[in-house]
Amino acid sequence: DTAVSQTPKYLVTQMGNDKSIKCEQNLGHDTMYWYKQDSKKFLKIMFSYNNKELIINETVPNRFSPKSPDKAHLNLHINSLELGDSAVYFCASSQGPSGLQFFGPGTRLTVL
Amino acid sequence: EDQVTQSPEALRLQEGESSSLNCSYTVSGLRGLFWYRQDPGKGPEFLFTLYSAGEEKEKERLKATLTKKESFLHITAPKPEDSATYLCAVQAPNTDKLIFGTGTRLQVFP
Repeated sequence: DTAVSQTPKYLVTQMGNDKSIKCEQNLGHDTMYWYKQDSKKFLKIMFSYNNKELIINETVPNRFSPKSPDKAHLNLHINSLELGDSAVYFCASSQGPSGLQFFGPGTRLTVL
Repeated sequence: EDQVTQSPEALRLQEGESSSLNCSYTVSGLRGLFWYRQDPGKGPEFLFTLYSAGEEKEKERLKATLTKKESFLHITAPKPEDSATYLCAVQAPNTDKLIFGTGTRLQVFP
């Protein structure tokens, strides 16, 4: 039943490690997004894919690399994790690039 | 630079006490203004889209309105279950991205 799902829900890791977050949507949408929400609850777009093509690539360190194997999946790989990467990461999807987006439950990343 | 500012940061209401949340925006040509609700530990949930000044949308106890510079989310006779953070976002022209405000955290007490 879950429309947009993310794994894992919590991720605790040491500085310098590499980690991945996975996202899947079963809504049949063709556009997916990654957002970062910081400790002050500010939600900021990082990347967006439309039909597996990168269409939004904000000013994000190149340690972050998104990958979309198909329209239903969008993964986020983070290399050499830093303390400042600690945040909640949300995946979202929409039908076409749109402001009407469906968000996943979030992945809380803590870097120690 | 496109910007969204929400006020107040936090709002405490007694059950039944109506109030309004404000979202001010500066964007060079608005494609759409969006309201989302976010419960603790969950992702934002879409509420409304407004496209042009004068437009209004309603859903249960919530009504969203739009002018050329701001949007209001009016909450009539709120209930404790309306407690959440309300996020406003704008979609600028020539870009598909949403620019979010920092939200208003609403608490409704019985």
